[in-house]
This record gives sequence, structure tokens and C-alpha cells, in this order.
Amino acid sequence: EAGVAQSPRYKIIEKRQSVAFWCNPISGHATLYWYQQILGQGPKLLIQFQNNGVVDDSQLPKDRFSAERLKGVDSTLKIQPAKLEDSAVYLCASSLGQGRGETQYFGPGTRLLVL
Amino acid sequence: AQSVTQPDIHITVSEGASLELRCNYSYGATPYLFWYVQSPGQGLQLLLKYFSGDTLVQGIKGFEAEFKRSQSSFNLRKPSVHWSDAAEYFCAVKDAGKSTFGDGTTLTVKP
Repeated sequence: EAGVAQSPRYKIIEKRQSVAFWCNPISGHATLYWYQQILGQGPKLLIQFQNNGVVDDSQLPKDRFSAERLKGVDSTLKIQPAKLEDSAVYLCASSLGQGRGETQYFGPGTRLLVL
Repeated sequence: AQSVTQPDIHITVSEGASLELRCNYSYGATPYLFWYVQSPGQGLQLLLKYFSGDTLVQGIKGFEAEFKRSQSSFNLRKPSVHWSDAAEYFCAVKDAGKSTFGDGTTLTVKP
């Protein structure tokens, strides 16, 4: 079974530029998550989708971050314009459902450096 | 609000020695608790999880964890550490699909 795929793996941009990340979850997984992991910290949930609907985006900085999952499968996360403090690893995860006991499967992440 | 504290930022153990990584949580109801491992450049991999029942849970790679409600703890243990266990370990609590992670403990294994 293929895991969660993410691209690109690394990205370097200058502040005020825009950037997009892509995630393809495990086939059949209805729930998709985007996390931000700043160096030295644990992952922090940015947004959670159930199929193509948003379940939780309370910690997404909506003035600069946006995410979509139009067909309920793959997803993109965009930052526009980027700030220095956005430097982090962006992790995508998926699970069959959104129940508390559901196991989340994580992709390898996209490491973003904003200069 | 739920929270997770991992008091040890960095732990070093010798190969073959036992290991215990600490995790304390704050959550109002019965917690759903998880331990993940993250190797450099990799995503998180689930080691084990606890929902209810037996408070000692077994996971992959020889890890186990014990839930202690009275201490609000969910410590991870391994009786004999291997060099390949060097990684970062995260404890998490989950509520209604939303996971809250601790800031992790980095494990270094000495030969």
C-alpha cells in the first residue's frame, strides 16, 4: 500500500514570495490533515478536511495561508506572501475517518526555508 | 484545552540500556494517547496508542507504554535500546479528530 506522498521535499524562497505544497493521501482515506512543524516543536494542526469539506481550520493563518481539497483526494496548501516565521516542515497526514481512535499516517513532509 | 508536556528535550542512553521517555497530558475526559517516532527527514510513524482497557500497551519495535490516570502520564519504555532507535519521539493526545503533540524528546544512542 502506497503511503502519503508530498511534494516538493524541499523549497527555498524569499520572504513575500508565494509557495504551494501538494499532498496525495492514502487511497480511500477520507480525512486529510496539514500540520506545521517548527524546528524544536511538535506538529501543529493547520487544517483538517473530511472528504472535500473543512472540519477545522482554527489555527490556519487565513490572511496568508489557504488550502483546498477540491475532489476529496489530493490537497494543496499555499502560502502567499511568505514570512520568515513560516520556515518549517509542512506535514500532510491522512486517516480513514476522523474518529478519535483513527490512526494518522504521515507523509515525509516539505521542508520550507524562507530567506 | 488539551495539552501535552514532554519534560525531557534530549536523552542519551547506551546501546542495550533501558529507556523511559516521559509524557504528561492535560485533558478533561478519558484521553486517547499516542506515541510517534520521527527519524531525520521522515514523517511521523505511530509506535502505539491507548484508548481504554489494559493500561500497559504494546507497540511496534519492542516499545511499550503505561497509562497512569492518577499521574496524568503515558510514559514510553523499551527494555533494551538499539542504535536504530535514535530519533525524535512525540507524545500526542487526540480529541474529536484533533491531535495535540508535545514538543518531542530527541534520543541519542551511544555505542
